[in-house]
Amino acid sequence: GAGVSQSPSNKVTEKGKDVELRCDPISGHTALYWYRQSLGQGLEFLIYFQGNSAPDKSGLPSDRFSAERTGGSVSTLTIQRTQQEDSAVYLCASSFGGTGAETQYFGPGTRLLVL
Amino acid sequence: AQSVTQLDSQVPVFEEAPVELRCNYSSSVSVYLFWYVQYPNQGLQLLLKYLSGSTLVKGINGFEAEFNKSQTSFHLRKPSVHISDTAEYFCAVISFGNTGGFKTIFGAGTRLFVKA
Repeated sequence: GAGVSQSPSNKVTEKGKDVELRCDPISGHTALYWYRQSLGQGLEFLIYFQGNSAPDKSGLPSDRFSAERTGGSVSTLTIQRTQQEDSAVYLCASSFGGTGAETQYFGPGTRLLVL
Repeated sequence: AQSVTQLDSQVPVFEEAPVELRCNYSSSVSVYLFWYVQYPNQGLQLLLKYLSGSTLVKGINGFEAEFNKSQTSFHLRKPSVHISDTAEYFCAVISFGNTGGFKTIFGAGTRLFVKA
């Protein structure tokens, strides 16, 4: 079946603008995760959803970042008033179940460049 | 807070040689441990994971890892590497919070470069 998809694949924006990143998980996967991968660094956990709920939002870097998930499927990550340090690859993953023990299946990522 | 340390940022090795990629984590409680691989221009995929039971875990492509609770390590090994194993390898641990949720903590990654 289809894997995790993300859109757009690339996004160039100007400092101060808002951006929305979208993630379509694998059908039937109840858990969805967002990560950020900055150049030369590992993956930074941002947030995860079990269904439409996010049990822990403390990983979001600032209040400019927000995420939502509707219908237990698609999720959007919104960055308001983008800054140059927000430039990174944003990865989404999904899993069947959300206990932490499940394998996460990753999408190809959205490469964000803030000028 | 939990953390994951991958001791080597880059590991060059000749084809058919053995390799070990090191991973240490900090934790005082039971953990779930993972190794993910990112091949060039591809997304991350699971190599193997430890949840409980036997401390030696076998994964795809001939890789294996050993969970060592006393040393809080989860090193990845392969007895004979191929050119196609050139990739970035990430160690990860699940960190459970007080709110009932969890975070996935990734190491900074180790770039394995296999030379002919």
